[in-house]
This record gives sequence, C-alpha cells and structure tokens, in this order.
Amino acid sequence: AQSVAQPEDQVNVAEGNPLTVKCTYSVSGNPYLFWYVQYPNRGLQFLLKYITGDNLVKGSYGFEAEFNKSQTSFHLKKPSALVSDSALYFCAVRDGRGSQGNLIFGKGTKLSVKP
Amino acid sequence: NAGVTQTPKFQVLKTGQSMTLQCAQDMNHEYMSWYRQDPGMGLRLIHYSVGAGITDQGEVPNGYNVSRSTTEDFPLRLLSAAPSQTSVYFCASSSPGTGVTDTQYFGPGTRLTVL
Repeated sequence: AQSVAQPEDQVNVAEGNPLTVKCTYSVSGNPYLFWYVQYPNRGLQFLLKYITGDNLVKGSYGFEAEFNKSQTSFHLKKPSALVSDSALYFCAVRDGRGSQGNLIFGKGTKLSVKP
Repeated sequence: NAGVTQTPKFQVLKTGQSMTLQCAQDMNHEYMSWYRQDPGMGLRLIHYSVGAGITDQGEVPNGYNVSRSTTEDFPLRLLSAAPSQTSVYFCASSSPGTGVTDTQYFGPGTRLTVL
C-alpha cells in the first residue's frame, strides 16, 4: 500500500536560515509526489510535484524539493526562510488505485519561522 | 474563476441531525473529492468522483453519502451526525488531463462540530 511519513511534527527555524521539511514514501510502481501548504484557517495550496525527470523540483514561493529514490525521500527545502512561511506542510503521494488515483497525505509538519 | 467553493464555513449539529456540505467548482474539472482533516492525522479521503454520475468510496466513507449529478457540484451528506464526525472537511478538484499527474485544487474548508 502507498504511504507517506513526515517524521517531524514541528520544525523551528530562524528567519534567513535554510529550512528542510522531511518526507519519506512507500509506493509500488512510479512515485508521484506532492507538497501542499496550509495557512491558518485556509485550504491547502499546491507547492510542487515530482512526476519524472530532474530530481530537484522547483515550486512556488521559492520552495524546492529533492527526490531521492534510493532513500525513498522527498524533502522540502528553502534556502532562506521567511516568517510568512510559517504554516502546516503536507507531503502526499498519488494512490495508484482508481482511474485517476487519489492523494494519500502525511500527517503534516508545522513550520515555525521566528524573526 | 472562483475556483473551489464550499458552504457553509462553519456548522454546529446535534447528534442525529442530518446536513449537506456543499462543494462547487467552476474549472470544468472532472475529478472531485472530499477529505476530512483531523489533528495529527493529516487528510483522509472520504469519497471521490471521476465524473458526473460516478462516485466511489475512499478511506473513511462510513456515515457519509455523495452524489454527482453535474460536473460542477459534489455535495457531501451526513445522514445522522455523530460526534466522531467533528472535523474540518475539504473538497478538492482536478482537471482531466493525464489523471495521476494532475494538481488538486482545494476549497477553503467547512469546520463541523457535532455535539
């Protein structure tokens, strides 16, 4: 069965420092991986996705993610964190079941960026 | 484009009451889905639809019904609300495209409390 794990409930970073939010996955077949962000009292917003090709995927708001097949990881990164990046981040994998598949989400990681 | 809209934003029910959560999208997306978000559990799929007239169950379908009479609308019905259904509910949609690589767009959510 497809699954994703986000090992950290919370990540604390100082503004201007690099940030990493971790995600590991377990899939059968090709992995289709996504990162979403949720700001307080809002719906989820798409950040980026990996389907195939380059292992480094660039997304919205200066975020990027590195796909590592050998480590089955898809960590979200940003070179310099902003206070406005503080939010809940979800990693997701496409479930291969059904004609289009559905998203299976991790439990989420709360990112807190302090000034 | 309004994107994905959900009504109501907040709702309080008593145990045993019924209600319908509304979801609509104006992007002509064939695929629509309902998730519930609970603390520490991420998002879990309730039901989904790959097109008008077609629905299927997700991970946690018990206690919920759906129908898809039009491309635009995908209502979620709680027939007899239970306290365990207290949660935040998100509707999402995605374009037909290639299916597994499509980005899902989320509504702002409905916060439901069952007393």
